[in-house]
Amino acid sequence: AQSVTQPDIHITVSEGASLELRCNYSYGATPYLFWYVQSPGQGLQLLLKYFSGDTLVQGIKGFEAEFKRSQSSFNLRKPSVHWSDAAEYFCAVGGGRDDKIIFGKGTRLHILP
Amino acid sequence: GAGVSQTPSNKVTEKGKYVELRCDPISGHTALYWYRQSLGQGPEFLIYFQGTGAADDSGLPNDRFFAVRPEGSVSTLKIQRTERGDSAVYLCASSPSSGYGYTFGSGTRLTVV
Repeated sequence: AQSVTQPDIHITVSEGASLELRCNYSYGATPYLFWYVQSPGQGLQLLLKYFSGDTLVQGIKGFEAEFKRSQSSFNLRKPSVHWSDAAEYFCAVGGGRDDKIIFGKGTRLHILP
Repeated sequence: GAGVSQTPSNKVTEKGKYVELRCDPISGHTALYWYRQSLGQGPEFLIYFQGTGAADDSGLPNDRFFAVRPEGSVSTLKIQRTERGDSAVYLCASSPSSGYGYTFGSGTRLTVV
């Protein structure tokens, strides 16, 4: 069965510092992988997605993620965070076009001024 | 429309009552998904439509939950005999037939008192 693990419930970083949010998945075939962001009171916004090809994926707002099949991981990174990046981040895995996707429990990112 | 529209944005109902939640997907999107998000959790898959038919309803928690999409556009999630544990944000998303473009609505916050 598909599953996603985000081991960190909360992460706190200083503004301007680099960021890495961890995501591990379980899936029996080649996964489709996603990162979404949810700001307080806002809907879910897609940051980036991986289907195939280059394992380093660029997204919006300066985020990137790297797919590592051997580690079943899809970690999200940003070289320098801004106060506006404070939000909840969800990693998700799906099985193909138009298939359902399964979300992790999320990591809440806090930014120190 | 320009985005996925969900109505109402907030719904308060008494335990035991029946509720309907509406989702209006992006025009032309053939795939439509319902998720439920409880406080502090990631979105939990409920049901997925491809056109008018439910392609996967494995996430519906019990037979009090039912969803329809009679004309392949607007969908209604129906909950009978509501319980306090049904309180959550119900999210709808749609996707074009040509591949992933999962766009979420802002959700309906359901509170059962």
